[in-house]
Amino acid sequence: DGGITQSPKYLFRKEGQNVTLSCEQNLNHDAMYWYRQDPGQGLRLIYYSQIVNDFQKGDIAEGYSVSREKKESFPLTVTSAQKNPTAFYLCASSRTIRVAASNQPQHFGDGTRLSIL
Amino acid sequence: RKEVEQDPGPFNVPEGATVAFNCTYSNSASQSFFWYRQDCRKEPKLLMSVYSSGNEDGRFTAQLNRASQYISLLIRDSKLSDSATYLCVPCPPLVSGSSNTGKLIFGQGTTLQVKP
Repeated sequence: DGGITQSPKYLFRKEGQNVTLSCEQNLNHDAMYWYRQDPGQGLRLIYYSQIVNDFQKGDIAEGYSVSREKKESFPLTVTSAQKNPTAFYLCASSRTIRVAASNQPQHFGDGTRLSIL
Repeated sequence: RKEVEQDPGPFNVPEGATVAFNCTYSNSASQSFFWYRQDCRKEPKLLMSVYSSGNEDGRFTAQLNRASQYISLLIRDSKLSDSATYLCVPCPPLVSGSSNTGKLIFGQGTTLQVKP
């Protein structure tokens, strides 16, 4: 079955440590996104990528980095510069938006919960 | 004005009740909308797409009021399993001759709790 796989499901970070969250999709989607969700809050966009080897900052990119070397993969690194990393991280993908096409819904992985040790 | 606003609730309703949530949006050029459902500690899942004045899928009806810039979600005959947070997502307008980003703006969500 096609879908989006995030790993690990739970992750713990020590002070000063970088950690990388994995996101893989086999839906043949061009666009991929990373969101952060804090308890009782909505989704906030961290980074997004419309195509391989290209990505853009979202609303809260500071302290995060991404890469998009393959269409299927969009890993997110939470760096030590992110002082409050504890959150629920969601990866999503969607078909490319083309002129005259309709907006495309995003499909989500089941998330990674990151906590500070 | 926020790009999208939803009453966070919670809306507590008895099983079998009809309940409606409103979502207001600021970009009058938004042409399509999504409603997502998010269960506690889970990922959002697409519930319904709205590309015209509304959409209906079983017990769920979405109605769009462009003049007042709000979209509503109506749930009839509520089930216990409908308990979740419902996220409203107005879509940015498509720009002719340009590549659109696909970025979506997610509302904070309205929480529904259906009681037996």
